[in-house]
Amino acid sequence: AQSVTQLGSHVSVSEGALVLLRCNYSSSVPPYLFWYVQYPNQGLQLLLKYTSAATLVKGINGFEAEFKKSETSFHLTKPSAHMSDAAEYFCAVSLYNQGGKLIFGQGTELSVKP
Amino acid sequence: KAGVTQTPRYLIKTRGQQVTLSCSPISGHRSVSWYQQTPGQGLQFLFEYFSETQRNKGNFPGRFSGRQFSNSRSEMNVSTLELGDSALYLCASSLAGTINTGELFFGEGSRLTVL
Repeated sequence: AQSVTQLGSHVSVSEGALVLLRCNYSSSVPPYLFWYVQYPNQGLQLLLKYTSAATLVKGINGFEAEFKKSETSFHLTKPSAHMSDAAEYFCAVSLYNQGGKLIFGQGTELSVKP
Repeated sequence: KAGVTQTPRYLIKTRGQQVTLSCSPISGHRSVSWYQQTPGQGLQFLFEYFSETQRNKGNFPGRFSGRQFSNSRSEMNVSTLELGDSALYLCASSLAGTINTGELFFGEGSRLTVL
């Protein structure tokens, strides 16, 4: 079975600082991995995905993530935080043949201080 | 291109009642998935429909059911509502066929409050 663990339910950074949101996964077979963002009172929006191509994945809004099989990690980073990045971020795992079934982590709420 | 549309956006029910939520996927998307989001349990997968057939199912009781129509629109139903069913119900659509592309497009959700 697959599972996802996000370290830190709340992360606070200053505007312009590095953003690092941690995600570790468990899967018996090569997984697909995703980061989604949710702004207040909205649905989820895909930031980026890893589907067994390049291990360094670039997404929207300047975010990127690196798949590290040896560490079973898929951490999300952004070099310089912006106030508009404040939101909740979810890491998710799926298998290639499981269609729309994603297993989500508990989420990390990112706060950006001016 | 219109996004995923969910109706109603907000609703209040009492224990024991039933509720039906509707989801219209992005045009051309044949897969529709449903998720329940609560502060305590987070995002949990309910079920997925593809070409009018349930393809995947999560670990929810039989009170939770769904269906998909020939135009890919989907409904989910919760019968005999309990207080714990209060949640944001999210619908997502995708182009996924038999092989997962993994990219889901979410609606804004239906927020259900059970009193």
